Amino acid sequence: DGGITQSPKYLFRKEGQNVTLSCEQNLNHDAMYWYRQDPGQGLRLIYYSQIVNDFQKGDIAEGYSVSREKKESFPLTVTSAQKNPTAFYLCASISPIQGNYGYTFGSGTRLTVV
Amino acid sequence: EDQVTQSPEALRLQEGESSSLNCSYTVSGLRGLFWYRQDPGKGPEFLFTLYSAGEEKEKERLKATLTKKESFLHITAPKPEDSATYLCAVQGPNDYKLSFGAGTTVTVRA
Repeated sequence: DGGITQSPKYLFRKEGQNVTLSCEQNLNHDAMYWYRQDPGQGLRLIYYSQIVNDFQKGDIAEGYSVSREKKESFPLTVTSAQKNPTAFYLCASISPIQGNYGYTFGSGTRLTVV
Repeated sequence: EDQVTQSPEALRLQEGESSSLNCSYTVSGLRGLFWYRQDPGKGPEFLFTLYSAGEEKEKERLKATLTKKESFLHITAPKPEDSATYLCAVQGPNDYKLSFGAGTTVTVRA
């Protein structure tokens, strides 16, 4: 079955450490997105990519970095510059052809600073 | 900038007690309004897309409606398995970014 796989499900980060969240999709979707979800707040866009080797900053990109070397993969690195990284991170993709279905989401990664 | 406000933040219902969730939005040129269901610790799951005022969509006990300023998600005779957070999102005319509301957490007691 096609879908989006996020890993790991849970991730613990020490102060000053960079960590990378994985997002892989086999839906052949062109566009991929990273959102951050905090309690009581809507999903906030971190980065998005509409084609391979190209990506744009979202509303809260500071302290994060991404790459899009393959259509299927869109990893997110949370750097030590991100001062409050504890959150639930969601990866999503969309096909312009099937845009009426909105995003397909992964199951999320919960990142906790220890 | 697109804005989405959902109310109430939380809703506690008795099984069988119908109710409605509200999603107010501001967007310059609505391309689509989306409703998602999210269970704790999981990614959102697609429910409906609405495109124009007056449109309605139904799925089991859920019915979504759309006006020029807001959308409602009606839950008819809810069951405990309808307990979840319901997210509303809008898509403007440019690219495929969605702007999300904070969600309404629905708890249905047996």
